[in-house]
Amino acid sequence: GEDVEQSLFLSVREGDSSVINCTYTDSSSTYLYWYKQEPGAGLQLLTYIFSNMDMKQDQRLTVLLNKKDKHLSLRIADTQTGDSAIYFCAESPPREAAGNKLTFGGGTRVLVKP
Amino acid sequence: DGGITQSPKYLFRKEGQNVTLSCEQNLNHDAMYWYRQDPGQGLRLIYYSQIVNDFQKGDIAEGYSVSREKKESFPLTVTSAQKNPTAFYLCASSISRGNEQFFGPGTRLTVL
Repeated sequence: GEDVEQSLFLSVREGDSSVINCTYTDSSSTYLYWYKQEPGAGLQLLTYIFSNMDMKQDQRLTVLLNKKDKHLSLRIADTQTGDSAIYFCAESPPREAAGNKLTFGGGTRVLVKP
Repeated sequence: DGGITQSPKYLFRKEGQNVTLSCEQNLNHDAMYWYRQDPGQGLRLIYYSQIVNDFQKGDIAEGYSVSREKKESFPLTVTSAQKNPTAFYLCASSISRGNEQFFGPGTRLTVL
């Protein structure tokens, strides 16, 4: 079955860049997502990338996809204290597949130190 | 102001009681989903619905039930058969299957 893995924790200094990594096993994944969860809140969609792309940039966020290695990363430039949260990557199967089950990683807790 | 609402934010119940969690969306999305999140873990899919009057079991449906009588609403009932119901429950919706999902603020259920 599908499996999505993330490291548990990342500590970064304010102003530095953060890089959060994710690996997945389903080679048929078509979309890969990054969500942010602040304490006690729901998930906020940050960005996503289609599997035929290798990079997507959106303001301070850069997503890199290495499809061969099934490795996804999220880089946050100029990390701010407001970026402290849990970040989840998720993958989805082809849209024509039955249902639309997102498979989530376990989340990476990012702590930004002043 | 479109979005997904879940109520209440915190819910307490005694063991053995059924409880229903509300999820409403005004985004005109066809698909809706319920996830469970346990501390330090990712999300696990309980049930999902692609259209009104239709729903499918997710990975951990045992002890839960849902209904989808209206496009805007997808309530989740946690029954007494659910052995470990204390968790954070998240509802999501998407335009249709295969599209990105948008999440509500969540309901934290504590069973005493």
